[in-house]
Amino acid sequence: EAQVTQNPRYLITVTGKKLTVTCSQNMNHEYMSWYRQDPGLGLRQIYYSMNVEVTDKGDVPEGYKVSRKEKRNFPLILESPSPNQTSLYFCASLSGGAENIQYFGAGTRLSVL
Amino acid sequence: QKEVEQDPGPLSVPEGAIVSLNCTYSNSAFQYFMWYRQYSRKGPELLMYTYSSGNKEDGRFTAQVDKSSKYISLFIRDSQPSDSATYLCAMSAGNYGQNFVFGPGTRLSVLP
Repeated sequence: EAQVTQNPRYLITVTGKKLTVTCSQNMNHEYMSWYRQDPGLGLRQIYYSMNVEVTDKGDVPEGYKVSRKEKRNFPLILESPSPNQTSLYFCASLSGGAENIQYFGAGTRLSVL
Repeated sequence: QKEVEQDPGPLSVPEGAIVSLNCTYSNSAFQYFMWYRQYSRKGPELLMYTYSSGNKEDGRFTAQVDKSSKYISLFIRDSQPSDSATYLCAMSAGNYGQNFVFGPGTRLSVLP
């Protein structure tokens, strides 16, 4: 079954405590992406990766880091989380080419106190 | 002006109604247009995908794209309570998802 798996699903942390949200896909997709979803603002792209070791900023990259050392994994790193990063986060992978379908994970709800 | 505008709703309709959801956009470079459905506490799932202008039908769902007016629509015929969800329009200029932009979503409730 095609899957994008995010962990953890829920996370409560405090300001400044580094955290990582993992994302893994089993579809051998080259393209992966991270979004945050906030009420009234919709989904906004944080970072994306076109392939291993190739990453680029999306619309709201400040305060986030990513890495793509393997094709299947694309972790999101918050080095020093702040309350304005409280949000619902989604990882996605995309098949690209003629089948331009983006598959989303179930989401990670993060609260930064 | 936001790059993609979408009426946030909420929109409530009786079961069996025809639902029309719409988005407008400003970037003429967009070529790929999508509708996603998002149930509560779930990730978005692709519902319809259209390249450039035109119509596409899939069962009870029809997607329309009018690039000249920068306007896209999703029609749901014979709506069901199971269609109750948030519907997100999305668009991109490239086919590898770069510069993927989502609308804020319209929350739809179909009442039995």
